[in-house]
Parts: sequence; structure tokens; C-alpha cells
Amino acid sequence: EDKVVQSPLSLVVHEGDTVTLNCSYEVTNFRSLLWYKQEKKAPTFLFMLTSSGIEKKSGRLSSILDKKELFSILNITATQTGDSAVYLCAVERGGGSQGNLIFGKGTKLSVKP
Amino acid sequence: GAGVSQSPSNKVTEKGKDVELRCDPISGHTALYWYRQSLGQGLEFLIYFQGNSAPDKSGLPSDRFSAERTGGSVSTLTIQRTQQEDSAVYLCASSSRSGNQPQHFGDGTRLSIL
Repeated sequence: EDKVVQSPLSLVVHEGDTVTLNCSYEVTNFRSLLWYKQEKKAPTFLFMLTSSGIEKKSGRLSSILDKKELFSILNITATQTGDSAVYLCAVERGGGSQGNLIFGKGTKLSVKP
Repeated sequence: GAGVSQSPSNKVTEKGKDVELRCDPISGHTALYWYRQSLGQGLEFLIYFQGNSAPDKSGLPSDRFSAERTGGSVSTLTIQRTQQEDSAVYLCASSSRSGNQPQHFGDGTRLSIL
């Protein structure tokens, strides 16, 4: 059965800390891996990763994919209270299930002032 | 519109009633998806539409759930004879095409079954 597992489930840090969120997957016919940030309502798109070893970066956030070991990490440097959210990892499958995403349960990040 | 729009934002109804949830995707997006997010659970895929193709209904949990997409734009998710376990946030997403394009989500409809 296809699955996406995120760790840790929750994390509390102080402003200025650097955090690493983990996402591992077992999915047949992998197509891409996506990261989303969910605060109160809509998950907002962060990154889409399709190739191994190529880091995607946006400000203090970065992410990389390892298709051999079947995992991805999301790094946040110099964390701020505004980074507090649930971070969701999702994998898109190809083939007959093309397009629909399998989500992990998320990592709840709390950044204390 | 600028983003995916869903209505209503909240819906409270009695067990056994039918409900309709609406999604208006980003203009020009041909792919539309419905997901369900229950307390403590990850997002669960329900159904997806791509252009004029037959929808992928593989995620619908029972025959009480159905969805339509009229004119390739607005979609309606219908739940008949609601049960308490249907209580969840129902999220809609759209993308410019199916596959290798990020899905953009609406704010969801929070459904509560009394």
C-alpha cells in the first residue's frame, strides 16, 4: 500500500533555530513530491521536487529529494514565529492514479519567541 | 478569481440530511481535486476531474458521495444521508493540468454533522 510518513509529528523550537522536517515514502509509480504549509485553512504550496539531489530554495526554506533512499527533507533556517504551521508532504503518483496526491499526516511546527 | 474559492466555509447539518459543497477553481485550470481532512488525519483524496475525461472516483468512501463538474469549471461535491463520520474539512484544489503541476488549494468547507 502506498504511504507517506512524516517525522517528527510535532516540534517546538525558539526563534532563530534551524529545523529539519523529514518525509519518507513508499509509492508505486512516483512522479513528484510536494511540500505545503498549512496555517489555519488552505495548504499553501512551497516546493515541488522531481529530481534527486537538486535543492530547491525559497528564502529561508529549502528542500531536497533523494529518490534512491525515498525521502525528502525541508529545512527552515533562522525560524520566525510566522513559520509556525503544519507542514505537509505529499507524493504525486503517475500512471492510472496520475494527479492525485498521497499526503503524510504533517509535522506541526511551533516557533516560540 | 485569484484563487480557489469554496462555499460555504462552514456547514452544520443534522445526521441523515444531504449536503452540497461547491468549488470554483482558478480560472484556466483544467484539473480539479477534492480531498477530505479529518481531525488528526492527513488529507485523503476523494475524486479528481481532468478536462472532459471521466473523473477518477477511486477515493470516494461510499456511494453516498458523488461529485459533478459542470462546463469544465465549477464542481459540486454531494454527500447524501450524512453520517457523523462525514464530519471533516473538505478541501478542493486545482492545477493547470494533471501531473507535474502543483495543486493550489481553497480554504475548505468545515462540515459538522450533529
